[in-house]
Amino acid sequence: AQSVTQLDSHVSVSEGTPVLLRCNYSSSYSPSLFWYVQHPNKGLQLLLKYTSAATLVKGINGFEAEFKKSETSFHLTKPSAHMSDAAEYFCVVSDILTGGGNKLTFGTGTQLKVEL
Amino acid sequence: NAGVTQTPKFRVLKTGQSMTLLCAQDMNHEYMYWYRQDPGMGLRLIHYSVGEGTTAKGEVPDGYNVSRLKKQNFLLGLESAAPSQTSVYFCASGRGTRSGELFFGEGSRLTVL
Repeated sequence: AQSVTQLDSHVSVSEGTPVLLRCNYSSSYSPSLFWYVQHPNKGLQLLLKYTSAATLVKGINGFEAEFKKSETSFHLTKPSAHMSDAAEYFCVVSDILTGGGNKLTFGTGTQLKVEL
Repeated sequence: NAGVTQTPKFRVLKTGQSMTLLCAQDMNHEYMYWYRQDPGMGLRLIHYSVGEGTTAKGEVPDGYNVSRLKKQNFLLGLESAAPSQTSVYFCASGRGTRSGELFFGEGSRLTVL
């Protein structure tokens, strides 16, 4: 079974400094990986996805992630944090369900705090 | 531009009561899902549907039932609510490919006393 591990449950940065949210995956074949963001009391929004094309994936709001097969990692980065980035971030791996459809398996989430 | 809509957004139940959560999507997606979100556990799949008239169990199906009588709607039912079912429930829909994203509703917060 595929899985993801988010290495930090909480990350705190100052506004204007870089963001790094870490995620390792476990998969027996080339995975489809995603990062979703959840703002307080809101649903989940897709930030970016990796589907075996370019290993460096660019997403919305200046975020990007690099797929590193040798390290089984898919870390999320942003060069300069903004107050509006404060949210919970989920690393997600996708698999095919029996009978069709894709199952998303979520990491436990990383709460990002951005301080002035 | 509704996307995925869940009703109700909040509900408080007493142990043993029943209720139904409704999910509606307007994107003509074949696949629909119910997840629950608990602190420190991410989201876990309860049930899903690969098309109108079909349903299947996910990771944590016990205590829940679902129905997909119309393509655009996916209902989640609790026949006899328990405190362990206190959670935030998210409905999602998608096109079903492994690389495909899911589109989520804003969640329904359920408290069982």
